[in-house]
Amino acid sequence: NAGVTQTPKFRVLKTGQSMTLLCAQDMNHEYMYWYRQDPGMGLRLIHYSVGEGTTAKGEVPDGYNVSRLKKQNFLLGLESAAPSQTSVYFCASSEDRVYGYTFGSGTRLTVV
Amino acid sequence: KNEVEQSPQNLTAQEGEFITINCSYSVGISALHWLQQHPGGGIVSLFMLSSGKKKHGRLIATINIQEKHSSLHITASHPRDSAVYICAVRSNFGNEKLTFGTGTRLTIIP
Repeated sequence: NAGVTQTPKFRVLKTGQSMTLLCAQDMNHEYMYWYRQDPGMGLRLIHYSVGEGTTAKGEVPDGYNVSRLKKQNFLLGLESAAPSQTSVYFCASSEDRVYGYTFGSGTRLTVV
Repeated sequence: KNEVEQSPQNLTAQEGEFITINCSYSVGISALHWLQQHPGGGIVSLFMLSSGKKKHGRLIATINIQEKHSSLHITASHPRDSAVYICAVRSNFGNEKLTFGTGTRLTIIP
């Protein structure tokens, strides 16, 4: 099915471990985003990309890195996971922001 | 004060009732989005508005730019409408940041 695919869907990490979340879209969208969703708070933007090879910081970028080597993929990395990074992570993409956003199904990450 | 405020936070209604969810924002915007998040967690984009009114099936979204307010209405509500409804705004400063409300949890009882 067309859309945004996130992998993995669930993950438990120990403090200090690293991991990469993968977001893949097959709609040829230019814009891609990583958000985190925490209880009682609205989604917050971590990093985003306005095209292949570009990345930029969002609202809460500390502790995360991203890469967009291919247009269809946007990777979110945690180099040294901390319990404060326990959250649900959503990837989204957009053709040109005029027509709205398509979201992935989310990744539930727990850091213990 | 949050830039985007939604009310009510929780809403329980009987099947068939007319539902209204409100969103107020404090910044100048270029667009407002309504999203739906089902219990399974996935997020679906319902509407994007910059003015006026949009309708899709039983869902209607309106926006009043002067009053910085938007409403999402559901007619003839059904248990499958039970979800969290989220309002998000894009400021008119041209950056990529969407500011999200914390959502309204809607439960429709059969």
